[in-house]
Amino acid sequence: SQQGEEDPQALSIQEGENATMNCSYKTSINNLQWYRQNSGRGLVHLILIRSNEREKHSGRLRVTLDTSKKSSSLLITASRAADTASYFCATDAIGSGYSTLTFGKGTMLLVSP
Amino acid sequence: DAGVIQSPRHEVTEMGQEVTLRCKPISGHNSLFWYRQTMMRGLELLIYFNNNVPIDDSGMPEDRFSAKMPNASFSTLKIQPSEPRDSAVYFCASSLRTGGSNGYTFGSGTRLTVV
Repeated sequence: SQQGEEDPQALSIQEGENATMNCSYKTSINNLQWYRQNSGRGLVHLILIRSNEREKHSGRLRVTLDTSKKSSSLLITASRAADTASYFCATDAIGSGYSTLTFGKGTMLLVSP
Repeated sequence: DAGVIQSPRHEVTEMGQEVTLRCKPISGHNSLFWYRQTMMRGLELLIYFNNNVPIDDSGMPEDRFSAKMPNASFSTLKIQPSEPRDSAVYFCASSLRTGGSNGYTFGSGTRLTVV
């Protein structure tokens, strides 16, 4: 089963607007990561936020994490057509032994010129 | 570094044939993951290796699927015999460690079509 669930499933905006995507998850985590996938390509790591962090920035990206609500959001400011892609959250769940990332089903973002 | 390299990029095969997908992880990464992506099920972890040793293959759909990592720079995922429901994009990813404290680097994937 999916640990993270992104919302909305699809988002369509105009260039210059901000895009906000949300992720909810079920179990306690060590960290949460966001990835981007362009059509026909592999996933690319964007940003990682640890469980003891509440907000993190990277360029035009802003990620928040609320562990009490088990949710995260990814904000892309001043979007560009090149931001068109699917965005996935991935969680590193707390557990013993080896752990792996569990991915949500993604939000498909379309930025129109 | 050229990143994670997967081959072939596309594979079309007939039902019942053997399919072998290949992956070269990033040098120095000691964890390797095979994922399958479909519209219906999203990204599913099939198997992962740490220091060339398979750690968890519980995501492998059935005995038709097998994976090997004979050395630190090469892994294969084999499907024998292939079936139409195996059609998907298969990704290989590598990381410095198994745990998610580092991000994963993904290859470009192999799009498999079984007819």
